[in-house]
Amino acid sequence: AQSVTQLGSHVSVSEGALVLLRCNYSSSVPPYLFWYVQYPNQGLQLLLKYTTGATLVKGINGFEAEFKKSETSFHLTKPSAHMSDAAEYFCAVIPLFSGGYNKLIFGAGTRLAVHP
Amino acid sequence: EPEVTQTPSHQVTQMGQEVILRCVPISNHLYFYWYRQILGQKVEFLVSFYNNEISEKSEIFDDQFSVERPDGSNFTLKIRSTKLEDSAMYFCASSVQLEQYFGPGTRLTVT
Repeated sequence: AQSVTQLGSHVSVSEGALVLLRCNYSSSVPPYLFWYVQYPNQGLQLLLKYTTGATLVKGINGFEAEFKKSETSFHLTKPSAHMSDAAEYFCAVIPLFSGGYNKLIFGAGTRLAVHP
Repeated sequence: EPEVTQTPSHQVTQMGQEVILRCVPISNHLYFYWYRQILGQKVEFLVSFYNNEISEKSEIFDDQFSVERPDGSNFTLKIRSTKLEDSAMYFCASSVQLEQYFGPGTRLTVT
């Protein structure tokens, strides 16, 4: 069965530093790929997605992610962290040929802390 | 900007009681979903709903759970007889195609 692995349950960076959150998927056929963010006491907000086309995708709040088929990865980056980026980040996939009903499979999440 | 709404934001119930969690999806969306997140764990898929019927459900979604779209706007999740382990944050989502929009969640506490 498809699974999603997020390396590092907690990541801490300084304000202004590079943010790198890792995500790997398990299937040999690349799924549709998503990153969601969850701020404290809020729901899930879509940051960005990859379906087809350009492998570097840009999202909201300055985040981007690159799909690398050879590495089965979809890591999330942001060049310069801001205090407001502190949140939990979830990588998620929808397997291809999922029957059209689009069940999201989530990773365990990475909690990002940003310190001054 | 249209958004998914959920009520109540927090529900406390006693074990064995029935609860109904309510969601208003985005109006032109066709697919509806429920997910849950037990504290400290992954977000897990419960059920998807399309064309007025369940299209897929997970192993978690047993006979104690049901979903309904009683009118053109609401989408509900009913838990018939709650257990302690049903305590979680329940998220509703809706989509036109791939991109799912999530509501803020209902925190269900079963005592």
